[in-house]
Amino acid sequence: EVQLVQSGAEVKKPGESLKISCKASGYSFTSFWIGWVRQTPGKGLEWMGIIYPGDSDVRYSPSFQGQVTMSADKSISTAFLQWDSLKTSDTAMYYCARPRSSGDDAFDVWGQGTMVTVSS
Amino acid sequence: DIQMTQSPSSVSASVGDRVTITCRASQGFGSWLAWYQQKPGKAPKLLIYAASSLQSGVPSRFSGSGSGTEFTLTISSLQPEDFATYFCQQANSFPLTFGGGTKVEIK
Repeated sequence: EVQLVQSGAEVKKPGESLKISCKASGYSFTSFWIGWVRQTPGKGLEWMGIIYPGDSDVRYSPSFQGQVTMSADKSISTAFLQWDSLKTSDTAMYYCARPRSSGDDAFDVWGQGTMVTVSS
Repeated sequence: DIQMTQSPSSVSASVGDRVTITCRASQGFGSWLAWYQQKPGKAPKLLIYAASSLQSGVPSRFSGSGSGTEFTLTISSLQPEDFATYFCQQANSFPLTFGGGTKVEIK
């Protein structure tokens, strides 16, 4: 079964760093892109960017460029989303998702989501 | 960026009703549009890709149409499990963008 399993909920303070994960199974991790999507009540679903684990090619949305870092570790079939200095506005649910084929295709496999809460 | 505008933002309907949701794009892009269903506390689920292709396992009461700048999702006969929020997404060019969502509520 193709699956993406994300790390658990996080509660952090502004200015702290954070790295959340998305572990893939059931398919060739290096052959498919993995994207990240943010969801908030106010802004809905936002596509943050996408990474190709095969060669670590990353495409960021301009809205998130410089705000987060996407990476992947082929040896453990896991993608990561990282913040160096969190803001309260980063409070959201974060999903990883796999496109059907190419990087700009619809997402047919989703992780269960990681809730990130940033509060002083 | 391509802006996606969904309408209506919410709709009240009864079991058995036909429901149509529209998604309009700020610029045309062929047929690279997807529709998702999301229930509270769950991740989105892909229903339709390439504007009109039904994702495997999705009931045939769901259908999609359109191209260019205007797209529709139709639920031919609403079932109790279909009460949820629906999103469109353009899958044509980076950054991919989503519509604001349409909540289908029980009348």
